[in-house]
Amino acid sequence: AQKITQTQPGMFVQEKEAVTLDCTYDTSDPSYGLFWYKQPSSGEMIFLIYQGSYDQQNATEGRYSLNFQKARKSANLVISASQLGDSAMYFCAMREEYNFNKFYFGSGTKLNVKP
Amino acid sequence: GAVVSQHPSWVICKSGTSVKIECRSLDFQATTMFWYRQFPKQSLMLMATSNEGSKATYEQGVEKDKFLINHASLTLSTLTVTSAHPEDSSFYICSAKSGTVGPDTQYFGPGTRLTVL
Repeated sequence: AQKITQTQPGMFVQEKEAVTLDCTYDTSDPSYGLFWYKQPSSGEMIFLIYQGSYDQQNATEGRYSLNFQKARKSANLVISASQLGDSAMYFCAMREEYNFNKFYFGSGTKLNVKP
Repeated sequence: GAVVSQHPSWVICKSGTSVKIECRSLDFQATTMFWYRQFPKQSLMLMATSNEGSKATYEQGVEKDKFLINHASLTLSTLTVTSAHPEDSSFYICSAKSGTVGPDTQYFGPGTRLTVL
């Protein structure tokens, strides 16, 4: 089974609007971490936000917030007030406690911000 | 903080030659480094994990003799693609993990685009 599923290959959003990128995960490990990375066309992977499985609050970092719904095993990324520079690929990733070093990446979502 | 560099950023080589890619953590000590491969419009595929001073752990299906990994110090890991062929053309990304700087995440290098003619 896929560890990380991103069902939206591509998304469009109008500049200044909010957008939600979906991510669901599959694990039986009670302790895990969830990450979102941004990959612009230059190729570098930029760390955006992290959510631990035991964190009570949803993670937020500036315009990024993670909508963590543990029972549904979803960790959607919300970008508020989209900017043209947000156009990029976005990857959701998970790390399980039992294999601390291994990251599982989703297939990514290509976000296009329209002016 | 937590900057990872890669060199070169792109390389073109002839079939049959070997290519070495360097990955450096610039402002932290990387206890563990990772090498990924990414095909166009696809996700990252973990190739191997390396800890300083020990042999790399390769993922299933990755040829150890083809992709040589050396983690010589706490700030440097190298990936050598030996006897490269056109099918090895890809985007190679390294990442590094520290026990002290953001211990739960990996910090990625900018990637190396390899083209084998």
